Amino acid sequence: AQSVTQPDIHITVSEGASLELRCNYSYGATPYLFWYVQSPGQGLQLLLKYFSGDTLVQGIKGFEAEFKRSQSSFNLRKPSVHWSDAAEYFCAVGARSNDYKLSFGAGTTVTVRA
Amino acid sequence: KAGVTQTPRYLIKTRGQQVTLSCSPISGHRSVSWYQQTPGQGLQFLFEYFSETQRNKGNFPGRFSGRQFSNSRSEMNVSTLELGDSALYLCASSFPGRENTEAFFGQGTRLTVV
Repeated sequence: AQSVTQPDIHITVSEGASLELRCNYSYGATPYLFWYVQSPGQGLQLLLKYFSGDTLVQGIKGFEAEFKRSQSSFNLRKPSVHWSDAAEYFCAVGARSNDYKLSFGAGTTVTVRA
Repeated sequence: KAGVTQTPRYLIKTRGQQVTLSCSPISGHRSVSWYQQTPGQGLQFLFEYFSETQRNKGNFPGRFSGRQFSNSRSEMNVSTLELGDSALYLCASSFPGRENTEAFFGQGTRLTVV
């Protein structure tokens, strides 16, 4: 069975500072990996995804993530945070099969201070 | 193109009642998945439908059911509502079969059981 751990429940960062959100997964093979963002009362928006190939993936809104197989990690980064990045971020893992079940981490809430 | 549409956006129901939520996927998408999001349990997979067949089911009681129609629209039903069913219910659609497929989420239906 697949599972995801996001060790940080809440992170506070200053506007303009860098951000890194941690994600560790458990899966028997190379999974599909995703980062989603959710603003209050809204659905989930995909930031980026990893399926195969280059382990450093670029996403929308200036986010990037790096897949490290040896550490079973898929950490999300942004060099310079904007106030609009305040939201909840979810890491998700999907199996390489034809079903589309995603297993999500508990989420990390990001607060941006001026 | 239009995104995933969920109706209604908000619902208030009484314990013991039943409720039906609707999801219209992105045009051309044939896979529809449902997730429950609560503060305590996070995002949990309910079930996934493809071509009117349930392919995968999460660990929820039989009070939770769903179906998919020939136009790929999906409904989920919760019978005998309990207070603990209060949650944001999210629907996601995918275009299965393509290597770079991903799940697109709707804005969700906020169900409150009183």
